[in-house]
Amino acid sequence: KNEVEQSPQNLTAQEGEFITINCSYSVGISALHWLQQHPGGGIVSLFMLSSGKKKHGRLIATINIQEKHSSLHITASHPRDSAVYICAVLPTSGTYKYIFGTGTRLKVLA
Amino acid sequence: GAGVSQSPRYKVAKRGQDVALRCDPISGHVSLFWYQQALGQGPEFLTYFQNEAQLDKSGLPSDRFFAERPEGSVSTLKIQRTQQEDSAVYLCASSSFVSEGRSYNEQFFGPGTRLTVL
Repeated sequence: KNEVEQSPQNLTAQEGEFITINCSYSVGISALHWLQQHPGGGIVSLFMLSSGKKKHGRLIATINIQEKHSSLHITASHPRDSAVYICAVLPTSGTYKYIFGTGTRLKVLA
Repeated sequence: GAGVSQSPRYKVAKRGQDVALRCDPISGHVSLFWYQQALGQGPEFLTYFQNEAQLDKSGLPSDRFFAERPEGSVSTLKIQRTQQEDSAVYLCASSSFVSEGRSYNEQFFGPGTRLTVL
């Protein structure tokens, strides 16, 4: 079992839909990072959080440390949101080493 | 530049060839990381530098992989005698804050180098 699990692995949505991507982890962490990766390979940082909730534009990230779970929400989805979304955690031991999920591939149809 | 840059963006190598991948971190960032991302997988840690010191190379898959950062800024990942299983995207990331040898701050990623070994 991977230390960081994401669900779903693949997601297709219609433009305008509300989208939720989930991340569960099994280790103690100091922070969790949501990343966006476009087909060209480059990774863009979305959120880094260690508690509560963060919002940026149409994106919302939440984390529940007790339940070892985080969610990334996209409101009013758009085709340009199509990408792979990766959850990465910084464990409390060896804190500089991210542990990555395998990603959620999102496709938003116009 | 404003972000992490990597070159080349794409590299095709014949099996057995040596390759060198370059990373220019964000200016002033003391920490630099290399990751390997196989197709359809999440990135996996290769190695970590704090300034010019390579503090962790536990993720390097074999002794064919070598990384250096001689002046504490630009880093090069070298792969000798490439094999087909080395085909992957190689990502570099940098981070600004270091405490007792560990980086707690957010890592900023470069665009990656896609290596294809034929």
